[in-house]
Amino acid sequence: EAQVTQNPRYLITVTGKKLTVTCSQNMNHEYMSWYRQDPGLGLRQIYYSMNVEVTDKGDVPEGYKVSRKEKRNFPLILESPSPNQTSLYFCASSPTGIQGRNYGYTFGSGTRLTVV
Amino acid sequence: AQSVAQPEDQVNVAEGNPLTVKCTYSVSGNPYLFWYVQYPNRGLQFLLKYITGDNLVKGSYGFEAEFNKSQTSFHLKKPSALVSDSALYFCAVRGYSGGGADGLTFGKGTHLIIQP
Repeated sequence: EAQVTQNPRYLITVTGKKLTVTCSQNMNHEYMSWYRQDPGLGLRQIYYSMNVEVTDKGDVPEGYKVSRKEKRNFPLILESPSPNQTSLYFCASSPTGIQGRNYGYTFGSGTRLTVV
Repeated sequence: AQSVAQPEDQVNVAEGNPLTVKCTYSVSGNPYLFWYVQYPNRGLQFLLKYITGDNLVKGSYGFEAEFNKSQTSFHLKKPSALVSDSALYFCAVRGYSGGGADGLTFGKGTHLIIQP
């Protein structure tokens, strides 16, 4: 089954304790992206990657890091989490190029992160 | 830069009545438009998309959307609402800059509440 897999689904952590949210896709998509969803603000893009070793900032990158060492994986790293990073996070993937314009995204199921 | 506006935070409709969820967009070049739905504690599910062709697009669960180029709108519609349609709806636009498909930009979402 074609899918984007995020782990964990739920995470409660303390301020300053480094964490990683994993994202993996099995569709050989070039494009991957991380969003956070907050009430009244919709989905805001954190980082995206056009392909292996190619990443770029989205609209709200502060406090986050990403890496794209393999095509299928795109982990989101919070080096020193703070309470304002409490949110619902989604990973998504898509083809690029001409094929990409006909394609929305395939989303993961989401990770609900609480930083206390 | 591309953008999406969903002017209503919440739309209330009585069951059995027609519903409309509004969306306007701004993008360079041809727009590729999408609607997603999010049920409570779930990820985002694809509803429908407009790429080219007929201005009336049909999607999942009886939803349809009307593309209006002159008004830069892509309103979501359903002839007869069900209580089970109650959810959070996101409109999104994807540009295509020739070098490849750009990322999806989302609106802030509209809560659709169907009253029995």
